[in-house]
Parts: sequence; C-alpha cells; structure tokens
Amino acid sequence: AQSVTQPDIHITVSEGASLELRCNYSYGATPYLFWYVQSPGQGLQLLLKYFSGDTLVQGIKGFEAEFKRSQSSFNLRKPSVHWSDAAEYFCAVGAGYSGGGADGLTFGKGTHLIIQP
Amino acid sequence: DVKVTQSSRYLVKRTGEKVFLECVQDMDHENMFWYRQDPGLGLRLIYFSYDVKMKEKGDIPEGYSVSREKKERFSLILESASTNQTSMYLCASWTSGDEQFFGPGTRLTVL
Repeated sequence: AQSVTQPDIHITVSEGASLELRCNYSYGATPYLFWYVQSPGQGLQLLLKYFSGDTLVQGIKGFEAEFKRSQSSFNLRKPSVHWSDAAEYFCAVGAGYSGGGADGLTFGKGTHLIIQP
Repeated sequence: DVKVTQSSRYLVKRTGEKVFLECVQDMDHENMFWYRQDPGLGLRLIYFSYDVKMKEKGDIPEGYSVSREKKERFSLILESASTNQTSMYLCASWTSGDEQFFGPGTRLTVL
C-alpha cells in the first residue's frame, strides 16, 4: 500500500522569503504525485501534478516541485512567499489504473504554512 | 468551469440519526470519491465509485455506506451517526488522465 509523509506539521516563513515543503512517498510503481492547497474555509485546489516526463513541474501561483525518484521525494518550492500563501498544503500519491487516482488518492497529513510579516 | 458541489456546507445532527451527504459533479466523470478530513490526519478515503451502482471500500468504510444511482451524483450515508463521525467530508470526482476535483466540503457535527 502506498503512503505519504509530510515531516513538517507547521512551517513559519517570513514574507518574501523562499519556501520548501517536504514530501516523501512510498509506492511500488511509478507514482503519480500531487500538491493541493487548502485555504481557511475553502476546498482543495490543485497546485501542480507529476505524471511523467520532466521531473521539475511548474504549477499555479508561482509554485514548483521536483520529483526525485532516488529519494522518493516530491518537494514543493516557491522562491518568494506572499501573505496569501498562508494555508494548509497536502501532498498526495495516486493509485489505480492510469495512476492518476482511479482508486483514490493517499494524502499526507498536511503542512500548515504561517507567513510572518 | 468544472464543478463539484455538496449539498450542505454545515450540518448538525444528533447521535443515532441517519445522515445523507450529497455530492453532484457536472464534468461527466466516471469516478467519484468521499474523503474525511480531520486535523493532523489529512484526508482519508471512505468509499469510491467507478460507475453507476458500483462502489468500493476505501481505507475507513466502517460506519458509512454510499449510493450512486446516477453518474453525476454520489451520496454518503451515515446509518446511525456517532460523535466520532464529527468531521469535514470532502467529495471528489475524477476521469482518466486528469486530477481529482474537490467539492467545498461539508462540516458535520454530531451531538
């Protein structure tokens, strides 16, 4: 069975500073990986996804993530955070045929991002 | 604009009541899902469906059932609500080669 680990429960970053959120996965085949963001009182919004190809993936809102098979990691980065980036971030791996989530996604427990002025 | 809608944003029920949570998607997706979200636990899969009248158990199906009579609609049923089912419930839909699209969630409180 697949699993996802987000080692950091909370992260505090100053506005304008760079950000890296860690994600490690366990999956027997080629993983299909996702980062979602959840702002307070909102549903989940997809930031980016990795299915295949280039291991550096660009997403919305200036985010990017790099897939490293040797480290089983899919870390999320942003060069300069804004106060509006304060939210809960979830990494997920897809299972099932086509890998994209036919049998559902397995989520990490989330990282709560706090932005300091 | 793709849409997954859930019938209620907030719901308060009493222990032992039968509870229905409704989800509708307008994207003609084959697969639909119900997740439960709890602080510190992330999202956990309750049930999913890959076709009308078909259902599969997820990771935490105990205490829940589902119904899918039409392609666009997927219902989560709590046969006899308990306080440990107080949670945020998220519905999602998916089609091959795409991401999962999530609804806004229903925050259920069982008293």
